[in-house]
Amino acid sequence: AQKITQTQPGMFVQEKEAVTLDCTYDTSDPSYGLFWYKQPSSGEMIFLIYQGSYDQQNATEGRYSLNFQKARKSANLVISASQLGDSAMYFCAMRAFSGGYNKLIFGAGTRLAVHP
Amino acid sequence: SQTIHQWPATLVQPVGSPLSLECTVEGTSNPNLYWYRQAAGRGLQLLFYSVGIGQISSEVPQNLSASRPQDRQFILSSKKLLLSDSGFYLCAWSVRGVGGYTFGSGTRLTVV
Repeated sequence: AQKITQTQPGMFVQEKEAVTLDCTYDTSDPSYGLFWYKQPSSGEMIFLIYQGSYDQQNATEGRYSLNFQKARKSANLVISASQLGDSAMYFCAMRAFSGGYNKLIFGAGTRLAVHP
Repeated sequence: SQTIHQWPATLVQPVGSPLSLECTVEGTSNPNLYWYRQAAGRGLQLLFYSVGIGQISSEVPQNLSASRPQDRQFILSSKKLLLSDSGFYLCAWSVRGVGGYTFGSGTRLTVV
């Protein structure tokens, strides 16, 4: 079964420190995509970063990087130099091909709190 | 550029009343369209997806239905709302088979 697991319900980090949010996935498909989204209190889903299963290098987008370890089926998000505005829910998601269509499957999320 | 519109932003409805949430996409053709629901403090659950006009697939049995009357219009409906239908509803679109999803701003539904 295709599944995304985020084992950290909540995380705390000091402003300007780096933080890693964990994500593991389960799929038997050779081709898949992994995403991270940020959801502030307003509820909107903001796309942060994408990693394709065949990408050789870890994805980076500004202060966000994705630590992709294919053999371990993990896709952890690293946020460097945390800012107060980074406080939000963070969701890991996987694009999986199921039932003839591509679908985005989400983990339960991690609530990040950045302290001054 | 592509945009996605979703309304209303908030809605309070009594139990047993009907529901209609609308989502429209601009700037793209033949998008895949999706309805997700998010219970308070939880992840997103895929409710419906559509790959074309009139083509709707349901992920979970429930009190809701979806329709796609036009290429870029996706509607979530219910004939009689239940308390358990409360939640945050998000519409999303994607290019067929590639790329990520772009989400609308969501509708917060409270059934009282």
